Amino acid sequence: AQSVTQLDSHVSVSEGTPVLLRCNYSSSYSPSLFWYVQHPNKGLQLLLKYTSAATLVKGINGFEAEFKKSETSFHLTKPSAHMSDAAEYFCVVSRTGNTPLVFGKGTRLSVIA
Amino acid sequence: NAGVTQTPKFRVLKTGQSMTLLCAQDMNHEYMYWYRQDPGMGLRLIHYSVGEGTTAKGEVPDGYNVSRLKKQNFLLGLESAAPSQTSVYFCASSIYNEQFFGPGTRLTVL
Repeated sequence: AQSVTQLDSHVSVSEGTPVLLRCNYSSSYSPSLFWYVQHPNKGLQLLLKYTSAATLVKGINGFEAEFKKSETSFHLTKPSAHMSDAAEYFCVVSRTGNTPLVFGKGTRLSVIA
Repeated sequence: NAGVTQTPKFRVLKTGQSMTLLCAQDMNHEYMYWYRQDPGMGLRLIHYSVGEGTTAKGEVPDGYNVSRLKKQNFLLGLESAAPSQTSVYFCASSIYNEQFFGPGTRLTVL
């Protein structure tokens, strides 16, 4: 069985400061891990994915995440927040391959000017 | 190349009415999925399909039926809608390790 826990339901940062969105996972298999972003009233966009290659994964819009097997974590970071980063972020786990995704409950990121 | 499309975008139903949501993809993907999104719950899997003519239950299948008669289409049916089915519904298709999502259907059941 697989599950994902997003440790914060809401994170608020000031524009230009670092972003850290925390995610822990549980998986009986070697997992694939993803971060998706959803802007208000929009669909889901893939930010980045980990599929057992490099443990530090770079995504779009300056985001990156590090897979830490010993800590079962896949935290999302960005050095400097922009107003346009305000959105809902989902950490997602699946088995490798075409298997259904298991979503975390989401973290809402607010960016203050 | 439209990707994944969903019809309709919005719908309001009365309790007990039925409807079908259509998902179409033009990427020749074998795998397709239906999720629902509720506030504070993330996305939860309703049903999925690993190929034409096959379907399987996900985490929250009760009250829904699906069909995959053609590879490019995946239909989600509500036979007798209930207020608890008010949600945003997302369809996705996948290849290898990436799922591609449609824009969503916002359904309200009164």
